[in-house]
Amino acid sequence: KAGVTQTPRYLIKTRGQQVTLSCSPISGHRSVSWYQQTPGQGLQFLFEYFSETQRNKGNFPGRFSGRQFSNSRSEMNVSTLELGDSALYLCASSLAGGMNTEAFFGQGTRLTVV
Amino acid sequence: AQSVSQHNHHVILSEAASLELGCNYSYGGTVNLFWYVQYPGQHLQLLLKYFSGDPLVKGIKGFEAEFIKSKFSFNLRKPSVQWSDTAEYFCAVSTSGTYKYIFGTGTRLKVLA
Repeated sequence: KAGVTQTPRYLIKTRGQQVTLSCSPISGHRSVSWYQQTPGQGLQFLFEYFSETQRNKGNFPGRFSGRQFSNSRSEMNVSTLELGDSALYLCASSLAGGMNTEAFFGQGTRLTVV
Repeated sequence: AQSVSQHNHHVILSEAASLELGCNYSYGGTVNLFWYVQYPGQHLQLLLKYFSGDPLVKGIKGFEAEFIKSKFSFNLRKPSVQWSDTAEYFCAVSTSGTYKYIFGTGTRLKVLA
């Protein structure tokens, strides 16, 4: 079956712009979470959604937001981009999130802010 | 705050050498534990997981890990590495009610042919 699909794979944006990243989970998975991966900070949790509800949010500024649609697809938005937002953004899906479930990761969106 | 420590940031081994990567976490309650691998240019893939039961967990590609609750550890092992094991390895933990993984900083493994 198809894995987690993230689009686009690569993005170059200018400081101050905003960006929207998309994630399609594995069919039947209702939990989607997002992570930021950078060489300095590693993998940092952004937020998690289940049935269109955000259940947890990481320590990121309010410029980072997300949502989930009724078909479980998710988007994340970063407004007023800063150079430090350059990173690989990973989406993961699981059946229901929480304990005793495993997450499957997409290939990520590589965002470069110039 | 919950955290995960991976003590080895870079490891270089020759083919056929044995591998052990350390992982320690800080949380006193029930945990789920994971090892993920990221091959160059590829997505994170699950190597193995521990939810409950037998603390010795076997995963894909000959990897195994042992959960030692008293030491808050979940070390990854492989008796004989191959050149194709060159990758970055991440330990992760999840806890009840948080709906997130906390990742260690990763260990870059380079296997020399």
